[in-house]
Amino acid sequence: TQLLEQSPQFLSIQEGENLTVYCNSSSVFSSLQWYRQEPGEGPVLLVTVVTGGEVKKLKRLTFQFGDARKDSSLHITAAQPGDTGLYLCAGATDSNYQLIWGAGTKLIIKP
Amino acid sequence: EAGVAQSPRYKIIEKRQSVAFWCNPISGHATLYWYQQILGQGPKLLIQFQNNGVVDDSQLPKDRFSAERLKGVDSTLKIQPAKLEDSAVYLCASSLTAGTSGRYEQYFGPGTRLTVT
Repeated sequence: TQLLEQSPQFLSIQEGENLTVYCNSSSVFSSLQWYRQEPGEGPVLLVTVVTGGEVKKLKRLTFQFGDARKDSSLHITAAQPGDTGLYLCAGATDSNYQLIWGAGTKLIIKP
Repeated sequence: EAGVAQSPRYKIIEKRQSVAFWCNPISGHATLYWYQQILGQGPKLLIQFQNNGVVDDSQLPKDRFSAERLKGVDSTLKIQPAKLEDSAVYLCASSLTAGTSGRYEQYFGPGTRLTVT
C-alpha cells in the first residue's frame, strides 16, 4: 500500500516567520502535487513537480521534489495570515491516473 | 473557464434517509472523481470515472453508495440509507485524461458538506 506521510500535522506560527512542511513516502512517484484548501472550499492546486530535485517557486512558497522522487517539501517565507489553510500533498503513479493523498498539514498564521 | 460545479453546498438529513449530490466537471475533462473528506483529513477516493465508465470503485461502500455518470459529463453520487458516519464533505474533481507527463492534476469543486443526525 502506498502512503504519503505529512508532517507536521498542525502548525501555528506568527506572521512573518518561516516554515517548512514535509511530505514523505517509501514509494516513487511520477509527479507530486501540492494543494491548499481553505474552510468550506475544495483543494486548489498550487504546483506540480515532476523531475527529481526540481525546485519551483510561487511568490513566497518554495516547493522541492526529492532526488529519488519519494519526498517533497514546501517552504513558506515570511508567512502571512492569508497562507492559513490545510496543505495537502498528493503523489501520482502511472496506474489508473489516481493520486495518493497525504493527511494534510493544518497551518494557522496569527497576525 | 468555468470550474467544477457541485450542488447542494450543504445538506442535513436524518440517518436512514437518502441524499444525492450532483457534479458538473470542467468542460473537456474526461476523468471524474468523487472523494469523501472527513474534517481535517486528506480526501479519500470513492469512485473514479473515465468518460461514462467506472475505472475504480473499490472504496465505495456499494451497499449504500451509488454513482453514475451518464453521457460522460455530469455525475451524481447517492447515499441510501445514510449513516451517522457518512457525515463528511463530498468533493468532486475532474482532470484531463491520458496523464501526459505523469501529471494527473485534479481540479476540485467546492464540495457538499453532509451532516447526518
